[in-house]
Amino acid sequence: KNEVEQSPQNLTAQEGEFITINCSYSVGISALHWLQQHPGGGIVSLFMLSSGKKKHGRLIATINIQEKHSSLHITASHPRDSAVYICAVFNSNTGNQFYFGTGTSLTVIP
Amino acid sequence: GAVVSQHPSRVICKSGTSVKIECRSLDFQATTMFWYRQFPKQSLMLMATSNEGSKATYEQGVEKDKFLINHASLTLSTLTVTSAHPEDSSFYICSARPTGTRNTIYFGEGSWLTVV
Repeated sequence: KNEVEQSPQNLTAQEGEFITINCSYSVGISALHWLQQHPGGGIVSLFMLSSGKKKHGRLIATINIQEKHSSLHITASHPRDSAVYICAVFNSNTGNQFYFGTGTSLTVIP
Repeated sequence: GAVVSQHPSRVICKSGTSVKIECRSLDFQATTMFWYRQFPKQSLMLMATSNEGSKATYEQGVEKDKFLINHASLTLSTLTVTSAHPEDSSFYICSARPTGTRNTIYFGEGSWLTVV
């Protein structure tokens, strides 16, 4: 079993739809990152969370530490949001170990 | 925001040769950098943790003599793939943790390596 599970693996949405990507983890963490990877490969860190909720533009990320669950929401989705979204958890107390989800491939259709 | 630059972004090399990939933190110092490998449609796999001024820590199954890591300054880590083989063809990506932080991490753009 992977330490980080994401769902769904693939997601196709119409432009304008509200999108939710879920992440569950089984290890202790000091922070959770939501990453965006475009087809060219480069990775951008969207959010770093250790509790609560963060919002940046149309993106919202939440985390529930007790339930070991995080969600990434995209409001008013746009074709440029098409990318792979990766959940990564980090525990700086146990040797800098990063655990990555397998990613959610999002395609937003105009 | 903080920028981590990788170079080259794409490289093709012949079997048996060595290739070096650089990872630079452009506007911050990074005592610790990480090197990952990613196969198509798979998640990132940590290869090694690079600490400035000391030897890298390699993950289980990663050959340290094949994947040489040097972190000679607070802004530069290099990964050298020695005696490259076609099965080394992959996407290599680095990340850097700003000195003095615990959970902040910035990723490079990645480097596509093709060994022919």
